[in-house]
Amino acid sequence: DAGVIQSPRHEVTEMGQEVTLRCKPISGHDYLFWYRQTMMRGLELLIYFNNNVPIDDSGMPEDRFSAKMPNASFSTLKIQPSEPRDSAVYFCASSTGARSYEQYFGPGTRLTVT
Amino acid sequence: GENVEQHPSTLSVQEGDSAVIKCTYSDSASNYFPWYKQELGKRPQLIIDIRSNVGEKKDQRIAVTLNKTAKHFSLHITETQPEDSAVYFCAASSANQAGTALIFGKGTTLSVSS
Repeated sequence: DAGVIQSPRHEVTEMGQEVTLRCKPISGHDYLFWYRQTMMRGLELLIYFNNNVPIDDSGMPEDRFSAKMPNASFSTLKIQPSEPRDSAVYFCASSTGARSYEQYFGPGTRLTVT
Repeated sequence: GENVEQHPSTLSVQEGDSAVIKCTYSDSASNYFPWYKQELGKRPQLIIDIRSNVGEKKDQRIAVTLNKTAKHFSLHITETQPEDSAVYFCAASSANQAGTALIFGKGTTLSVSS
């Protein structure tokens, strides 16, 4: 298995631009999580899905952030408009409810907003 | 909701010494406590976990202990090696089924000098 795939790996954009981060979970996993990591705030859960349905989005910082999971193999996290304080590493993780609590993280997307 | 506190934020040890990282949690319903290791520029990876029906778990040089009454759990690394240098995160989950949200501590940066 290729593991959790995220794209792009690095994104540099100007303030005010729209940013879309993408994630492909491990095949067969029915949970998908989006996290944001910064030095100041650590690893924060933004939103998670179960069977493509958003379960808890209380960690989404503002209305500028939105996430979708149109099917079991794809999810997006969108920021519009982006701001410099959104600069962080965004991780996607997936897990299966069938066998294990373990969450498998993707390589992350390093976002820089100038 | 759940809140996880982790201490210390940084820890420096000599190779061969032991290292202990401690976490406390607030939600008495939490029943799953994993530890993740994140090397510089890499993704977090699960190294050990414990469930609330167990007081201690060992895996080679790594052990985790859980005190449900006091609501704290600890990671113990014995005979530390330079490759143990990384950021370690504890987490807690109040899920009654696998794959639900983890709340992470802020992380401990462990440095092992040879």
